[in-house]
Amino acid sequence: QLQLQESGPGLVKPSETLSLRCTVSGGSIRPNNYYWGWIRQPPGRGLEWIGFLSNTGNSQYNSSLMGRASITLDTSQNHFSLKLSSVTAADTAVYYCAKAEWSVTDRYFDSWGQGILVTVSS
Amino acid sequence: DIQMTQSPSSLSASVGDRVTITCRASQSISRYLNWYQQKPGKAPKFLIYAASSLQSGVPSRFSVSGSGTDFTLTISSLQPEDFATYYCQQTYNIPWTFGHGTRVEI
Repeated sequence: QLQLQESGPGLVKPSETLSLRCTVSGGSIRPNNYYWGWIRQPPGRGLEWIGFLSNTGNSQYNSSLMGRASITLDTSQNHFSLKLSSVTAADTAVYYCAKAEWSVTDRYFDSWGQGILVTVSS
Repeated sequence: DIQMTQSPSSLSASVGDRVTITCRASQSISRYLNWYQQKPGKAPKFLIYAASSLQSGVPSRFSVSGSGTDFTLTISSLQPEDFATYYCQQTYNIPWTFGHGTRVEI
């Protein structure tokens, strides 16, 4: 069974870049029909889709992030990463990594990491 | 962006109750509607996709209906493990968007 685990700093200073990694076990990130994405949840609030990327290089991002988000895959290490630049306190949230299916018939996040709280503060 | 509106935002129920949650999209999303369950301090759990297909292992007391703009999630007989927050999500258009959640509590 696929397992995902987020890692990275829990505290980031304003204006700096948030960097998180998601390590995938129990399966490979190589299949072309899988997308690897990030979702965040500010404390006490709802879910916000950040974006996702496939092994073929097809990527989609939430335009609300104004081009600040970037997702990359490392197939040799079986992990993927998120970078979010120029962070502010509004980026404080629990960040989840997840595997997505994205096709004509199947579009959903079916495997999730446990989440990591990232606080933006000086 | 497509806005997803859930109602109610919270509800109180008892074990054995029938519970219905509605989700409305700001435009037609065909059947690209998913449901997730989230318990406090945990990641969301994928329950239902394509408006009506239960993920493997999801109990049959969960049922869904709808297409276009209006969808419902029904739990026929609420069990203790069902107390959680439920989110709908549209995947018709980018960005994928979620409803604000419905908290089911005792």
